[in-house]
Amino acid sequence: DAGVIQSPRHEVTEMGQEVTLRCKPISGHNSLFWYRQTMMRGLELLIYFNNNVPIDDSGMPEDRFSAKMPNASFSTLKIQPSEPRDSAVYFCASTLGDYRAGELFFGEGSRLTVL
Amino acid sequence: AQTVTQSQPEMSVQEAETVTLSCTYDTSESDYYLFWYKQPPSRQMILVIRQEAYKQQNATENRFSVNFQKAAKSFSLKISDSQLGDAAMYFCAYCYGGATNKLIFGTGTLLAVQP
Repeated sequence: DAGVIQSPRHEVTEMGQEVTLRCKPISGHNSLFWYRQTMMRGLELLIYFNNNVPIDDSGMPEDRFSAKMPNASFSTLKIQPSEPRDSAVYFCASTLGDYRAGELFFGEGSRLTVL
Repeated sequence: AQTVTQSQPEMSVQEAETVTLSCTYDTSESDYYLFWYKQPPSRQMILVIRQEAYKQQNATENRFSVNFQKAAKSFSLKISDSQLGDAAMYFCAYCYGGATNKLIFGTGTLLAVQP
């Protein structure tokens, strides 16, 4: 079975550039999450969607960050303009509603470096 | 505030031995769930074990078991017969019944397995 697929795996960009991270959840899952992992702050939930609708975006750090889920099989996290402090590993995860609470299936992450 | 604390940044264990990773949490909720996730060098987070707070019996999954002390708000992970493949970062996580997929993670414990 295909797991959660994220792209790109690595991204290096310069400050001020737009960055788009992509995620394909597991087929049939109806909840999707974006997490950010840094040494300083650990794993933080940025936003999550249920049935393609954003439910909680309270973790999105600022207006430079936006996330969309146009359909059940695709989501993007966009940073515009990017800053060095956005450097982190960004994880996408999916799950099937409340089937088994808290059991998320993670992708391998996108490592972002902003110079 | 709901928090998860892992006080051991790093641990080491000899192959075939047993190791226990510690986790404490703080919550005023009565309906909640606790988890241990593993993050190997590949970065992909994988659920190791899951515990419902209302269950008194400690969860077990093969070589992995937990010691859930609800009154003390403690949730430790025991790995028996440690294997080289167990080397990873281990994260303790929590969510409550009202937001069953909004996981709060601890800062992680890096486990090294010595041959």
